[in-house]
Amino acid sequence: ELKVEQNPLFLSMQEGKNYTIYCNYSTTSDRLYWYRQDPGKSLESLFVLLSNGAVKQEGRLMASLDTKARLSTLHITAAVHDLSATYFCAVTRYTGNQFYFGTGTSLTVIP
Amino acid sequence: GAGVSQSPRYKVAKRGQDVALRCDPISGHVSLFWYQQALGQGPEFLTYFQNEAQLDKSGLPSDRFFAERPEGSVSTLKIQRTQQEDSAVYLCASSGTVNTGELFFGEGSRLTVL
Repeated sequence: ELKVEQNPLFLSMQEGKNYTIYCNYSTTSDRLYWYRQDPGKSLESLFVLLSNGAVKQEGRLMASLDTKARLSTLHITAAVHDLSATYFCAVTRYTGNQFYFGTGTSLTVIP
Repeated sequence: GAGVSQSPRYKVAKRGQDVALRCDPISGHVSLFWYQQALGQGPEFLTYFQNEAQLDKSGLPSDRFFAERPEGSVSTLKIQRTQQEDSAVYLCASSGTVNTGELFFGEGSRLTVL
């Protein structure tokens, strides 16, 4: 079974600071997804990373993928309160296959 | 529709009751997934449909769980003789993007079994 680990599980950071969330997975895959979930809400797609070395940026968030290290990072730049949410990474072996989700990183941005 | 629609949003059932959860995927999406999300956890795979064919049901936790998608569009997840451990949010997702495989999730159905 493909295992996905995220760290940290909980992150409290001050506004304006930078931080990185890590996502490691156990089996070869070249497809990795990042989702955001607000309390009581569904999952919102943030990034789709489909190849080694892929880097995508949207606002204060930047995601990257290293398939050789089986590692993806989600970097937060100059955090703002609106970024408070739980972030999940997910991996799939191939299109149409199930997604394996990490346990999530609960981010709280403090003013 | 514009997005994945799930109903009911909230369901309270007494232990032993049967429940049915509905998912209406994005129009034209071929692939449909059901996930179970326990409190504070990531979503766990239950089952997968491509059109009306159930291609993978390896994540269904017991034979009390049954899913169908008879016409390749709307899907129903049925749980028979509910138990307290079935309490969770049940998420439906659909995908029509062959290249990226990106999943689009519904708001979920929160099931509480008393």
